[in-house]
Amino acid sequence: EVQLVESGGGLVQPGRSLRLSCTASGFTFGDYAMSWVRQAPGKGLEWVGFIRSKAYGGTTEYAASVKGRFTISRDDSKSIAYLQMNSLKTEDTAVYYCTRDGPGSGYEVWYFDYWGQGTLVTVSS
Amino acid sequence: SSELTQDPAVSVALGQTVRITCQGDSLRSYYASWYQQKPGQAPVLVIYGKNNRPSGIPDRFSGSSSGNTASLTITGAQAEDEADYYCNSRDSSGNLVVFGGGTKLTVL
Repeated sequence: EVQLVESGGGLVQPGRSLRLSCTASGFTFGDYAMSWVRQAPGKGLEWVGFIRSKAYGGTTEYAASVKGRFTISRDDSKSIAYLQMNSLKTEDTAVYYCTRDGPGSGYEVWYFDYWGQGTLVTVSS
Repeated sequence: SSELTQDPAVSVALGQTVRITCQGDSLRSYYASWYQQKPGQAPVLVIYGKNNRPSGIPDRFSGSSSGNTASLTITGAQAEDEADYYCNSRDSSGNLVVFGGGTKLTVL
């Protein structure tokens, strides 16, 4: 059974940093790209960014709203994906979901076949 | 603002058919995927690609596409289908990912 478990959320002051972790199980983690998606309270889903598998260079892409502040990394030996969030703003307050990019994503389609339960990040003074 | 546009709310009578649409220029080149989200829960993939359903998703859910519009159709809507529905696709550049703003489906 595929499982994604996020951790590391909490209350943080504007301008500070926070690192989220996503621990995966039930599949060969290193074979998949992984994404982070967030949802502000009462709002819709927003893609944050993703990291390709090592087979595709392990490179990353980010939404314009977080580029230069957020960094996604992965440790395939531990089956963990990370989201390092720096220079946090109040508008970064959201539930952050870790997702697995579905097989075949990146060509004609890009989809997320498994989601974690999310971790809440609140940015407030 | 999102590059994919969805109607904010749609309603359907129990047992009837409803279509939820998603519009955007990128949909002329890329397929949309669809997610169902119930209150307090994580989204669940219901349709991806041309018209593929993950294991466990009822066959009353189907997807289609024409021009710049992708559609999610629920044939014979059930009370448990009441939820928010989101589409996603690649963006116009093909490098990034975008979501639609979501559609709240009410089953009457």
